[in-house]
Parts: sequence; structure tokens; C-alpha cells
Amino acid sequence: EAGVTQFPSHSVIEKGQTVTLRCDPISGHDNLYWYRRVMGKEIKFLLHFVKESKQDESGMPNNRFLAERTGGTYSTLKVQPAELEDSGVYFCASSQEGGYGYTFGSGTRLTVV
Amino acid sequence: EDQVTQSPEALRLQEGESSSLNCSYTVSGLRGLFWYRQDPGKGPEFLFTLYSAGEEKEKERLKATLTKKESFLHITAPKPEDSATYLCAVQARGGSYIPTFGRGTSLIVHP
Repeated sequence: EAGVTQFPSHSVIEKGQTVTLRCDPISGHDNLYWYRRVMGKEIKFLLHFVKESKQDESGMPNNRFLAERTGGTYSTLKVQPAELEDSGVYFCASSQEGGYGYTFGSGTRLTVV
Repeated sequence: EDQVTQSPEALRLQEGESSSLNCSYTVSGLRGLFWYRQDPGKGPEFLFTLYSAGEEKEKERLKATLTKKESFLHITAPKPEDSATYLCAVQARGGSYIPTFGRGTSLIVHP
């Protein structure tokens, strides 16, 4: 079984630019989650999809962040325009059942300079 | 608000030197407590779920225990390959079941 795939693995962009992160969940997993870890802090929840619907987006920091999951398969997280404080590692996870059995991807390390 | 505090932040052990990692939590009704292992450049990898005080789970050299206020991850006779960051997360009853993570304990086991 293929795991959760994220790309790119690393991205370095300038402040004000746009970046799009992609997550391919495990096939058949309806639940998809985005998390972020800023250096020195804990992993923080961003949002949760069930199929193509946003179930909970309470963790999204502001309207510069836009997540989509068209067709209920892969998901993208766009940051536009990027700010310095957006730097961190963005993790995606998926599960069959909501709240259990998370499988995480390896993350995308975003650096905004 | 749910809170998770892990200690110590970092731990260095010699191979074979047993120790314990702590996860203290505050949650409005615990649904589950999770332990994850994270290697550098990788995402968290699930280890255990504990649901109620008194419960214990074991996997190889690791044993997780749970009380009403904290969880311990006991590492018996660790090996260098046990070196990783260990994360604890709690899930509250009701609501969206989104886990709250602690900052983790970075464990290094020297040969």
C-alpha cells in the first residue's frame, strides 16, 4: 500500500510569492488533514477534509491560505502571498475513519525568505 | 483548551540504559492518547493509542502507560535505532476529534 505522498519535499520562496503544496492520501482514505509545525513549536492542526468537503478549517491561520480537494482525491494547500512567519514543515495525513489511524506524509519544508 | 506537555525536551541515553518519557495532558474528557515516533525528515509514525487510565500497550522495547493526568513511554534497554523524536497527542470526546500534539521529546541513544 502506497503511503501519503507530499511534494515538493522542500520549497524556498521569497516573501510575497505564491506556493502550492500537494498531498496525495492513501487510496480510499476519505479523511485528509493538513498540519503545520513551526520550528520549536508543536504540530498544529490546519484543516480537515472529508472527501471533497471541508469538515473543519478552524486551524487555518488567515485568508492567505487556501486548501482544496477537488474530486475527493489529492489536496492542495496554497499560500498567497507568503510571509516570513509561514515558514515551517507542512504535514498531510489521511485516515479511513475520522480521528483514528492517521498516516502522515513526510512533509513539505517551506522556507520563506 | 486541550494542552499537552512533554518532558524532557531532549534525552541522551547510552545503549541499554532504560528510561521514561512523560506526557502530561489537560483535556475535557479523554477519548484517546496517541504516541508517535518521528525520524528526521519524515512524518510522525503511529505507535500506540491508549483510551483509559490503567491501560498499557507494548511494542518491542517500548511500553506506554496511562493515568488520568499523564502518560509515560518507557524505553527498556534502548538501541541506537530507537533514536527519534517521540510525540504525544490527545483527543477529546465530542467535537471534531482533532488531536492536540505536544512538542515532543528528542531521544538520542549512543552506542
